[in-house]
Amino acid sequence: GAVVSQHPSWVICKSGTSVKIECRSLDFQATTMFWYRQFPKQSLMLMATSNEGSKATYEQGVEKDKFLINHASLTLSTLTVTSAHPEDSSFYICSARDMGRVGNEQYFGPGTRLTVT
Amino acid sequence: GESVGLHLPTLSVQEGDNSIINCAYSNSASDYFIWYKQESGKGPQFIIDIRSNMDKRQGQRVTVLLNKTVKHLSLQIAATQPGDSAVYFCAEILYGNNRLAFGKGNQVVVIP
Repeated sequence: GAVVSQHPSWVICKSGTSVKIECRSLDFQATTMFWYRQFPKQSLMLMATSNEGSKATYEQGVEKDKFLINHASLTLSTLTVTSAHPEDSSFYICSARDMGRVGNEQYFGPGTRLTVT
Repeated sequence: GESVGLHLPTLSVQEGDNSIINCAYSNSASDYFIWYKQESGKGPQFIIDIRSNMDKRQGQRVTVLLNKTVKHLSLQIAATQPGDSAVYFCAEILYGNNRLAFGKGNQVVVIP
């Protein structure tokens, strides 16, 4: 149980294009999902908290107009990197909290490797 | 953008030996701590957690120790196996908050 998937697992795009990454909770419902970014040999940095049915909450320094988050259902959140540039190349990871369980545990997806050329 | 030349602290351990990974956390108001394992190219995998009202918790082959006085967390892995080779992160959550803050990570390399 508590499986989170991401699609695609990797993507290569040209500079200036937009890329959408999906995060799905497969066997539970999640009112809250989180998006992280991880550069090589670095830790995970929280980008934003995705709230079902409302606006995402972005961390300081993360541009909300560049990283669009939509959490339209209890099992799906999407992150769209708009007008991507090479410096956006990174490993993007989502996590989700099971709304049916008490506690803080987050279940992580397998990550999406984005390469912008 | 990407950083060049970063190196994670690395622990090399002989297969079968015990491993100890340390983590210093920053916020004394944090009340929930988790250890994650991350294999190359994958998302973090939950290992074990501990609340601030405890100082020790044991799982299968793993033990987490919490010292709130010095804001220190450790993960002990018993009888380390090649499959334990990964990067290990500690993470903390502030009381009343649901956001995880990750530590810097430690690379564990198991030598067969």
